[in-house]
Amino acid sequence: GAGVSQSPSNKVTEKGKDVELRCDPISGHTALYWYRQRLGQGLEFLIYFQGNSAPDKSGLPSDRFSAERTGESVSTLTIQRTQQEDSAVYLCASSLQGSRRDTQYFGPGTRLTVL
Amino acid sequence: GQQLNQSPQSMFIQEGEDVSMNCTSSSIFNTWLWYKQDPGEGPVLLIALYKAGELTSNGRLTAQFGITRKDSFLNISASIPSDVGIYFCAGLAGGTSYGKLTFGQGTILTVHP
Repeated sequence: GAGVSQSPSNKVTEKGKDVELRCDPISGHTALYWYRQRLGQGLEFLIYFQGNSAPDKSGLPSDRFSAERTGESVSTLTIQRTQQEDSAVYLCASSLQGSRRDTQYFGPGTRLTVL
Repeated sequence: GQQLNQSPQSMFIQEGEDVSMNCTSSSIFNTWLWYKQDPGEGPVLLIALYKAGELTSNGRLTAQFGITRKDSFLNISASIPSDVGIYFCAGLAGGTSYGKLTFGQGTILTVHP
């Protein structure tokens, strides 16, 4: 399909392990965003990529969280030494240029469970 | 950090009834958005508002950007079963040129046939 895709759809891990979550944005979209959604809550901004500019990491909750993006394509969110409070749905979105009038298109999310 | 207060948290209504939900903020936003999220999926944009006082409709949905820039409401008229889902408001703070959105906590809508 032509939408944002994320993998895996579900991930169960043990406390202390590292996890990698993948996002494939819509082709041609230069802006990419990661959000976290805890159970019953709204989305929390994590990080934003726009073209070749330095990413805005202001939403990352700790230094255990990091993200990379290869050019204007795939992005990977990495959580090191996972904790139980990291359990949430991690959503990725992309938009055409990242301007305030651009629509953000969301993927289905990766549900992370830390035991 | 910035927060959006969304109410009500949940609504149980009969098919055909109208629905209203709102969001307020302690700080100014220059863009207000309303999203709907179905189970197991990401949010989908319903309506976008870019100017204070703007009133915009999308089918049975109507949303307004408050004059103070600190609030917005969403109305759904003549609800149908497929309106069931979680509705989120989201805002873009003044001075931010890109899409670092702040979300409300959501309104869970249940429609009884």
